[in-house]
Amino acid sequence: QAVVTQEPSLTVSPGGKVTLTCGSSTGAVTSGQYPYWIQQKPGQAPRTLIYDTSNTHSWTPARFSGSLLGGKAALTLSGAQPEDEAEYYCLLSYSGVGVFGGGTKLTVL
Amino acid sequence: QVQLQESGPGLVKPSETLSLTCAVSGYSISYDYYWGWIRQPPGKGLEWIGAIHHSGTTFYNPSLKSRVTVSIDTSKNQFSLKLRSVNAADTAVYYCARTQELAYWGQGTLVTVSS
Repeated sequence: QAVVTQEPSLTVSPGGKVTLTCGSSTGAVTSGQYPYWIQQKPGQAPRTLIYDTSNTHSWTPARFSGSLLGGKAALTLSGAQPEDEAEYYCLLSYSGVGVFGGGTKLTVL
Repeated sequence: QVQLQESGPGLVKPSETLSLTCAVSGYSISYDYYWGWIRQPPGKGLEWIGAIHHSGTTFYNPSLKSRVTVSIDTSKNQFSLKLRSVNAADTAVYYCARTQELAYWGQGTLVTVSS
């Protein structure tokens, strides 16, 4: 089974910019893997911010964007807010089977 | 508004079968989309379990495939998860979700495997 890799932790200053990445053990991440980015705050159910690389839901704050960058999927947060402190999970599809990354704990400090 | 709600026993004995149901409201699951299950052991990350389309097509996590069945009942607008031969490592919060776009998640239900 493929392994999806994420930075274990990142820190961003309030108002700052940070990019989280998502790599695949099988090679470059492609749009055909429909990268997802999911936010989870302590004690809450997950909430999907980005799907299919860069598509947003109606609830996704405009400061979040998704892309492919250097063979990885990327989630960029521009103008971090204290409420963005959370765990962020990447999900990739491998011919219909989903594989989650281990998550990135984002601290806004 | 699409809503998903998991239901089932919160405690399952080792070696028995975990059974959960996800009731969907606000959308007919016979129209489209894949519907599936994701779990999260306490203090750990998310794990994709499996998904099903109303056509009957299924996808399963290879590491769980031998023990998992996801089924769908369009007449009741719900889908289900069965995980056989459970052990303590299967203790987790189980979420149901519309796995395409992942726009909609259930609130999650904690299932503990213990005698």
